[in-house]
Amino acid sequence: ETGVTQSPTHLIKTRGQQVTLRCSSQSGHNTVSWYQQALGQGPQFIFQYYREEENGRGNFPPRFSGLQFPNYSSELNVNALELDDSALYLCASSRRLGESYEQYFGPGTRLTVT
Amino acid sequence: DQQVKQNSPSLSVQEGRISILNCDYTNSMFDYFLWYKKYPAEGPTFLISISSIKDKNEDGRFTVFLNKSAKHLSLHIVPSQPGDSAVYFCAASARSFGNEKLTFGTGTRLTIIP
Repeated sequence: ETGVTQSPTHLIKTRGQQVTLRCSSQSGHNTVSWYQQALGQGPQFIFQYYREEENGRGNFPPRFSGLQFPNYSSELNVNALELDDSALYLCASSRRLGESYEQYFGPGTRLTVT
Repeated sequence: DQQVKQNSPSLSVQEGRISILNCDYTNSMFDYFLWYKKYPAEGPTFLISISSIKDKNEDGRFTVFLNKSAKHLSLHIVPSQPGDSAVYFCAASARSFGNEKLTFGTGTRLTIIP
């Protein structure tokens, strides 16, 4: 069983630029969630996709957008990058199964905005 | 507003002894709780979860206790091993209310002393 993978591992962008981060969900999972983890903090929920539809959004501005594809992989797009967007971006996949549906995380993409 | 709190930023425990990590929450709608472990440069790894209909869940060396009236949960690791040294995050969700996003605490760094 293949785990959650993310690309790229690291990325450096300039303020004002746009970035796309990618995530491949674990085999058999149909739900993908994105989180932002700033230094010294816990992950913060950005949004979730279930069967290609957005299924909940956290307190992030519209310049954070996403997509989920028919194979359940996903993209996170961030426009007009700001210095505060520098963080570890985590993707997690899950499968609704009875009482439990734990989210399994990828290794993350470290984004640095200069 | 921090809805999930881990008030101990760090904890040191002798190898072989019990490690107890604590977590408090304020949102009464939370009904599903999870613990994740995170090593540097890796994504969080799922450890154990508990539904609000239970007060205890056990998996090998890991046991999670839930006290709903106190809005408190704890993770017990017995016996503690050097490989348990990591940052531990408590997370909660309000699944019954259709909200699958995870709200995380700020983490506790556990160090196991050989």
